[in-house]
Order: sequence, then C-alpha cells, then structure tokens
Amino acid sequence: NAGVTQTPKFRVLKTGQSMTLLCAQDMNHEYMYWYRQDPGMGLRLIHYSVGEGTTAKGEVPDGYNVSRLKKQNFLLGLESAAPSQTSVYFCASTPGPALHSGNTIYFGEGSWLTVV
Amino acid sequence: ELKVEQNPLFLSMQEGKNYTIYCNYSTTSDRLYWYRQDPGKSLESLFVLLSNGAVKQEGRLMASLDTKARLSTLHITAAVHDLSATYFCAVERKTSGSRLTFGEGTQLTVNP
Repeated sequence: NAGVTQTPKFRVLKTGQSMTLLCAQDMNHEYMYWYRQDPGMGLRLIHYSVGEGTTAKGEVPDGYNVSRLKKQNFLLGLESAAPSQTSVYFCASTPGPALHSGNTIYFGEGSWLTVV
Repeated sequence: ELKVEQNPLFLSMQEGKNYTIYCNYSTTSDRLYWYRQDPGKSLESLFVLLSNGAVKQEGRLMASLDTKARLSTLHITAAVHDLSATYFCAVERKTSGSRLTFGEGTQLTVNP
C-alpha cells in the first residue's frame, strides 16, 4: 500500500516552461487536494477535487490547472511557469466527509519545484 | 473567510521545560488537526480533534479543543530535543470539500 505518491520529487524549470505534477493514491479516496508551501508559511490550497471528474479552486489557484480524469489520480499543471511558483507542492487525499469517523487526511512526500 | 493564527511562531525552549502553542481560528469548524513537519519532510499527523472539549495525548504532547473560544492548544511536557520541529494546526470545514486551512506554523527548537 503506497498511500499518496507524488512525481516528480524535484524539478527545475525555466520561466515560461510548462509541466505537470502527478498525484496518485491507492486508497480509493474521493477527495484530493493540491497545496503549496512557501518558506515560513503553512500550506495553502491551490485546487481540490471531491470526486472523479470534479475540480474546484482553492485559496491560490492562479497560474495552475488541474484534472481528475481517474479517481486515483490528481494532476496539477503549470502552463507557463513563473519564479513566484517556486515552492514545495503537497498532494493530499481523504475518503470524504464523515463527521464522526475521524478520517485522516493523507499527505504525499512533497515535490520541490524551482523556477529560474 | 476562515483565518487560522498560531502563536508563538518561533519557540526556543530548554529540555525538561513545559510550554503551550496556541491556535486560534476565526469561524466555526468541523475538525482541527495538529501536524508535525521536520525540515525537508512531509507532514506527520499528530492529533485530530473532533468536538468541543476534546483532549488527546501522545507521549509528551497533549492537544485540546475549545470550539466556543475557537481555540486549540498543543501542550508540551518536559520537552526533549527530538521534539524540535515545526508544528502546524489546521482547521477543516466539511462544507468546503473538507479543505484544510493552515496556521503559519510554530518552529520549535528544544535546546539541551
């Protein structure tokens, strides 16, 4: 059971290049999330998905696009990378809302992205 | 808009001492989480607090939740060097797709 897997783990991009980060979970979770973490800050939500074929904007969606074509995968795309997108990106997943179950939110190991 | 504030942001303490990290949030929430993060690593789940008055303890860490005051605390008892890390609280709201809103984090350094 791999949990939440992010690829790639490290990437250096030039300004204006595009790339896609892949998040894969093998726990049959409904909800998936992409966060970014900048130095000295907590995680901020970029986009999220509450099921296959759905996506929604989070706090900081500008410059990113996402897709959830398969339940187990959540892709984060940068169409034209900017230095301000240099960050650590974390994917997360959870089964879905269950008020009394204490569902845990599972995080991936992170993807370090540098845009030069 | 939900805001989550932690204090202190930086905490340097000696081994053996006790201290408390505070987490305030601005609107009602469904669950509150505490995470630990070591440098260059992902987040490690410490506690999930589900209801008012909830208290959970694991080793030298104890977390509590007061939903009326919109306050959670993480109490450290007799700190040891291994507890040095950054601690985040995060608030979940189910009406928003169970999204988490994070505090800024408290960077804890425990000195021998």
